[in-house]
Amino acid sequence: NAGVMQNPRHLVRRRGQEARLRCSPMKGHSHVYWYRQLPEEGLKFMVYLQKENIIDESGMPKERFSAEFPKEGPSILRIQQVVRGDSAAYFCASSPPAASETQYFGPGTRLLVL
Amino acid sequence: AQSVTQLGSHVSVSEGALVLLRCNYSSSVPPYLFWYVQYPNQGLQLLLKYTSAATLVKGINDFEAEFKKSETSFHLTKPSAHMSDAAEYFCAVSMNTGFQKLVFGTGTRLLVSP
Repeated sequence: NAGVMQNPRHLVRRRGQEARLRCSPMKGHSHVYWYRQLPEEGLKFMVYLQKENIIDESGMPKERFSAEFPKEGPSILRIQQVVRGDSAAYFCASSPPAASETQYFGPGTRLLVL
Repeated sequence: AQSVTQLGSHVSVSEGALVLLRCNYSSSVPPYLFWYVQYPNQGLQLLLKYTSAATLVKGINDFEAEFKKSETSFHLTKPSAHMSDAAEYFCAVSMNTGFQKLVFGTGTRLLVSP
């Protein structure tokens, strides 16, 4: 059973460009979480999605950031008009549909904004 | 609101010595508690979790943690450190409900010397 997949693993963007980060949850998992890890800091919750629904986006910046988890395909975290402060590691986690305590993390996407 | 405090951003031990990583939490409801390990440029791997069953929790690689409600602590220990234990360790808390938004501490980097 493959784990949580994230791509790309590394992404370089210039200021003002768009960044698209993809997350494929573990097989059978329908809950997806995105977290951001700034340099030398812990992970911060951004958004929680189920298939076709955003359940909690309380950790998402109000502008430029959006997330989706369509019926088919991976979850996408989209950052428009990136700025240098967006440089971070973005981690996706997934969990099964039942109320589950354990989130399984992907390897992360490391975004560098030049 | 929930929060996690990890005392000591860096802990150094000698190979074979006891490992003790400290974690204190704050939660208004009975919490779930987790320890994750992160190796360089990788995602997070679950070491162990507390979900209101036994207060002494055993995890992978001989790690264990004890939930102490009176001290609001969930310290991680290992009797004998190995070089391969060198990594970043994160304590996390979530509410004991269906939605498992994790709140992470800032992490403790464990250094193991020969």
